[in-house]
Amino acid sequence: GAVVSQHPSRVICKSGTSVKIECRSLDFQATTMFWYRQFPKQSLMLMATSNEGSKATYEQGVEKDKFLINHASLTLSTLTVTSAHPEDSSFYICSAASSGQETQYFGPGTRLLVL
Amino acid sequence: AQKITQTQPGMFVQEKEAVTLDCTYDTSDPSYGLFWYKQPSSGEMIFLIYQGSYDQQNATEGRYSLNFQKARKSANLVISASQLGDSAMYFCAMRDMAGANNLFFGTGTRLTVIP
Repeated sequence: GAVVSQHPSRVICKSGTSVKIECRSLDFQATTMFWYRQFPKQSLMLMATSNEGSKATYEQGVEKDKFLINHASLTLSTLTVTSAHPEDSSFYICSAASSGQETQYFGPGTRLLVL
Repeated sequence: AQKITQTQPGMFVQEKEAVTLDCTYDTSDPSYGLFWYKQPSSGEMIFLIYQGSYDQQNATEGRYSLNFQKARKSANLVISASQLGDSAMYFCAMRDMAGANNLFFGTGTRLTVIP
């Protein structure tokens, strides 16, 4: 149980385009989903927390207009990187947790390369 | 102040031997949770083990055990009978109420199992 999928696993795009990443909880209802970013050889940095049906809460320094998060259902959250630039290239990974659940379960991550 | 500290950037262990990965934490919240995740080169974050601050006994999950020393604020991960597949990055993480239930990650320890 507690499987989280993420799509796509890898994406290459041109500078200025937008990229959407999907995060799905496959076998449980995720009341809360989290989006993290990880640079090479570094730890995970929380970008934002989203609760189903409400606006995401962004961490300090994360541009909400650049990283659009939607959590429309209990099994799906999306992260859209708008007008991507090379400095947005990174590993993006989501996690999901259900109400009363202690553990966050992570998706496999998405490697984004912006040319 | 850093909430999670992992002082070992890298560790080596002989196959079939046990290894301890260190983790110390900092919180003033009496209620918190401690987690260990494994991140292989593929990037996914695999949940290994959880310890609640009020748990009386050390958590164990198969070959993984958590050496929880509350007074010293340490939550070391012990891997017994190391296998080649255990080679990966290992992250310690904490969740507390002060952090809005978000996970704070340490910088990770890269474990290499030597045949």
